[in-house]
Order: sequence, then C-alpha cells, then structure tokens
Amino acid sequence: QKEVEQDPGPLSVPEGAIVSLNCTYSNSAFQYFMWYRQYSRKGPELLMYTYSSGNKEDGRFTAQVDKSSKYISLFIRDSQPSDSATYLCAMSKGNAGNMLTFGGGTRLMVKP
Amino acid sequence: SQTIHQWPATLVQPVGSPLSLECTVEGTSNPNLYWYRQAAGRGLQLLFYSVGIGQISSEVPQNLSASRPQDRQFILSSKKLLLSDSGFYLCAWRGLQGWDEQFFGPGTRLTVL
Repeated sequence: QKEVEQDPGPLSVPEGAIVSLNCTYSNSAFQYFMWYRQYSRKGPELLMYTYSSGNKEDGRFTAQVDKSSKYISLFIRDSQPSDSATYLCAMSKGNAGNMLTFGGGTRLMVKP
Repeated sequence: SQTIHQWPATLVQPVGSPLSLECTVEGTSNPNLYWYRQAAGRGLQLLFYSVGIGQISSEVPQNLSASRPQDRQFILSSKKLLLSDSGFYLCAWRGLQGWDEQFFGPGTRLTVL
C-alpha cells in the first residue's frame, strides 16, 4: 500500500465548475501538506501549503486537511481551462531531511 | 527572488552513453537540493538529496550518481545509461527558512534509445 493515494483521473469538468481533488494517506506522522500544479512538460509549481487540520483559502483555491481521517482536499472554484493540469499532493513529517512524499497526481481537464 | 535552472531541457541519448544533468539555484544560500525522476503518468521518485557541498544521500539504488561541487550547483550523472533511465528529471530546492515546501526547476526530459 502506498503511503499517499491519489486518484489519477483524468477528471473532466466544464468551465465554471467546482473541482474537488483529494488525497488519502496512511501515516499519521505527516504534519505538513502541499498541493502542486504541473502543466504538461513543466516542473511542478507550489499552489498551497497547510499545516494541521483546517482550511486555507487563496483566491479560487481552498486547501482542506482532516488529520483525523487522513484526508486532504483541494477545491477549485469557477474552474478555468487554464486550470487544466496535473495536481500533485505532497506531505512531510517535518523531521530531519524534510522529505516530501508525493501522491501520483490527478489529471484535470477543464473544458470551455 | 530565487530561481532554479536546469539544462539541458531535452536530451536523447543512446544506451550505454554517459549523462550529465546540471541544476543551479540563484538567490538563496545553503539550500537543500533534490533530484527526482518522474516516469510518464507517474508520481515523483526521489533519487538524491543534498544538505550541503559534497553531502549526497541516495534514496534508491541505481546506476545514477549525484554531486554537489558548489553550494548552489547539483549535478546528476551516469557512466552508462540504460533504457529504464528515460524519464523527466526534476531538480528542487528547499531553503533554510520556511517549512518543508520544495520549489522545482523546469525539468529535463531524457530519452534513452
């Protein structure tokens, strides 16, 4: 079993839809949670960073962490075709070395 | 502001040939540096990380090696490439400030034929 599970998709939605992207994890030692966006043939770009349970909002993006359920989500409101990309969740335990454990990524397609 | 560079952007190499990929970071000092490989449609696999000059930790056994000859330079090498070395290679850095977020370079797409 992988430490971090993420549905690979592809997830196809119409423009303007609310998108929900999710990851589950098995190790309760994870403390810091990140979402990256990766366009085709580009490096991942950090979108959101959260620590502990709760919500964090940045423009059209909301990151949610539920540590009791070992479940994190990224919501995208008013989705745009430019949001079409692969979204990777990542998490760390905050210990020495600060390694990140990544999900496999969910490919999102927003159709105009 | 900090920037990270990788080159070359794309590379096609025959099996058995050597490899050298370079990564440099600007605008920060003493960063942690990382090499990842991303196979098509798959997640990121950590290959090497470095917390300082000359300090390299390997995460997976393979025919690749890494070196950090300068504070902001990280090099990925191989003496003889295998077909299985094909993939998208990403360099990332993490600063001493902040938390655990890593920032990625543009990547190098390697095809071994």
